[in-house]
Amino acid sequence: KQEVTQIPAALSVPEGENLVLNCSFTDSAIYNLQWFRQDPGKGLTSLLLIQSSQREQTSGRLNASLDKSSGRSTLYIAASQPGDSATYLCAITSNTGNQFYFGTGTSLTVIP
Amino acid sequence: GAVVSQHPSRVICKSGTSVKIECRSLDFQATTMFWYRQFPKQSLMLMATSNEGSKATYEQGVEKDKFLINHASLTLSTLTVTSAHPEDSSFYICSAREALPRDTQYFGPGTRLTVL
Repeated sequence: KQEVTQIPAALSVPEGENLVLNCSFTDSAIYNLQWFRQDPGKGLTSLLLIQSSQREQTSGRLNASLDKSSGRSTLYIAASQPGDSATYLCAITSNTGNQFYFGTGTSLTVIP
Repeated sequence: GAVVSQHPSRVICKSGTSVKIECRSLDFQATTMFWYRQFPKQSLMLMATSNEGSKATYEQGVEKDKFLINHASLTLSTLTVTSAHPEDSSFYICSAREALPRDTQYFGPGTRLTVL
């Protein structure tokens, strides 16, 4: 069974800093990997989706990378802002496309 | 992008009652929908996979008689929490799978269930 782990569990940075969130997974047979943002008490907002054949995706200040062979993905946030404060989740779609495995999440606080 | 709605967004009920949560794909047909629950400060855990016109597949440890799932149409799946107890209080999120043009899951906004 796929296991998805995120490190760190919590992160606090001053505004303006660049930061990296890590996601690791145990089974490299994935269909895609997705990064989500979740605000307290709210649903999920999809940030970036990387197909298994891709190595990275970029959207604005966000850049996500994927290394299937090592079972790792990173989410890079440039010039962090207080509005970036949220929980970030990575999720793996299995090769069959039928199951989604969520990571444990990283709670980010950006201090003004 | 595709939109998935959930209703209600928040529900408070008494212990022993049943609660139904609806998940709708608004602008696409979803042959597969998924139900997740999330406890405070924890990640989402898949409860069951719902396929239109067939019985849902439940994850290990999830009671199928307690969490009834019906996927009667390509745009609607319902989760009924039967005889709810305080330990069922949680955040329930559904997702709908859109096969084309690119196999993607879209998530609903979630339903906060509080059982008194």
